[in-house]
Amino acid sequence: EVQLVESGGGLVQPGGSLRLSCAASGFTFSRYWMQWVRQAPGKGLVWVSRIKSDGSTISYADSVKGRFTISRDNAKNTLYLQMNSLRVEDMAVYFCARESYYALDVWGQGTTATVSS
Amino acid sequence: QSALTQPPSASGSPGQSVTISCTGTNSDVGGYNFVSWYQHHPGKAPKAMLYEVDKRPSGVPDRFSGSKSGNTASLTVSGLQAEDEADYYCSSYAGSNNWVFGGGTKLTVL
Repeated sequence: EVQLVESGGGLVQPGGSLRLSCAASGFTFSRYWMQWVRQAPGKGLVWVSRIKSDGSTISYADSVKGRFTISRDNAKNTLYLQMNSLRVEDMAVYFCARESYYALDVWGQGTTATVSS
Repeated sequence: QSALTQPPSASGSPGQSVTISCTGTNSDVGGYNFVSWYQHHPGKAPKAMLYEVDKRPSGVPDRFSGSKSGNTASLTVSGLQAEDEADYYCSSYAGSNNWVFGGGTKLTVL
């Protein structure tokens, strides 16, 4: 079964850090671009970051550039999102997703990052 | 990286058709045929319903169709069913490895 499972969410104070993980199974992880998408409470989906299959090409939304770092370990079939200098507005459910034909065809259930003092 | 524009809500009775629009710019929707649509039931993982404007992933009913004209893409749901009630999001490749989503449309089946 093709599956993505996120972890690493939690409660953090403004200015703090979190590292999200996304474990992939059921497909050849190293062949796919991957993305992170988030959804703040009561709001819509927002694109966060994208990484090429071999990690050589990376892009970020302007709102997280310089604070978030996407990476992957193809040997461990795992995608990461290092989130630093967190702000209240970063509070959201974070989804990882597999990209295929310029669409996100497999999504995880999400992990929640709560930023609050 | 401005969000694509979708109507906040749409509705229809069972069996009817409803169309949701998604308006962007020449830099995203109008510049590429890489528009996709997602169905999202709150608390669950989003599900891809269309990709490359009008292509359906395996398992998506043919009641779901897509089109694009200029900077506006559209999702049409025909023969509305109760289980179609959900939030729908469009998304587009926006060049330079960037992506953008729409603000979402809440579809209500009356």
